[in-house]
Amino acid sequence: AQKVTQAQTEISVVEKEDVTLDCVYETRDTTYYLFWYKQPPSGELVFLIRRNSFDEQNEISGRYSWNFQKSTSSFNFTITASQVVDSAVYFCALKKGSNYKLTFGKGTLLTVNP
Amino acid sequence: DAGVTQSPTHLIKTRGQQVTLRCSPKSGHDTVSWYQQALGQGPQFIFQYYEEEERQRGNFPDRFSGHQFPNYSSELNVNALLLGDSALYLCASSLSGSNQPQHFGDGTRLSIL
Repeated sequence: AQKVTQAQTEISVVEKEDVTLDCVYETRDTTYYLFWYKQPPSGELVFLIRRNSFDEQNEISGRYSWNFQKSTSSFNFTITASQVVDSAVYFCALKKGSNYKLTFGKGTLLTVNP
Repeated sequence: DAGVTQSPTHLIKTRGQQVTLRCSPKSGHDTVSWYQQALGQGPQFIFQYYEEEERQRGNFPDRFSGHQFPNYSSELNVNALLLGDSALYLCASSLSGSNQPQHFGDGTRLSIL
């Protein structure tokens, strides 16, 4: 069975602080994909990143960075110099290699205060 | 380039009724998935359609059914509505490969009275 755990239900920071959102996953498969999505109040899930299980290289995109560690089954997401527009619910998701279903965590509500 | 579009935005129904939700995929995408998101929860996979057939299904009862049309658009039908069906219903489209990221629409907010 697959499972995604986002232990942080809510995080509140002040603008310009760095913040890390944790994601721990469980799967027995050797081939799988990990994703992060952002859900602003409008409801649409915005795709941020996809990583496959064979690529542990960390990735940076502007103020966003992702740390993938198979040894700890974690795929953490860091926002550097947070901004008010980063306020949203962030979801981590897992998909088995041969599967089409995304398994989501419960999400982390990030509030960035001015 | 239009993204995933869903209609209607909001819908109010009563128990026992039936509902149809609609989704147009992002241009170039041929695969449509449906998810149910209860308040404060992550989305739960209902099913995925590809080549007009249900390719994979999640743990949802047969009251939930769908259809995909030749233009790749899709419908989600829910019969005999229950109070517990109140949720945000999200449609996602993608290319057909299993490693392709799914792109989501704004969702349809369904309320059951």
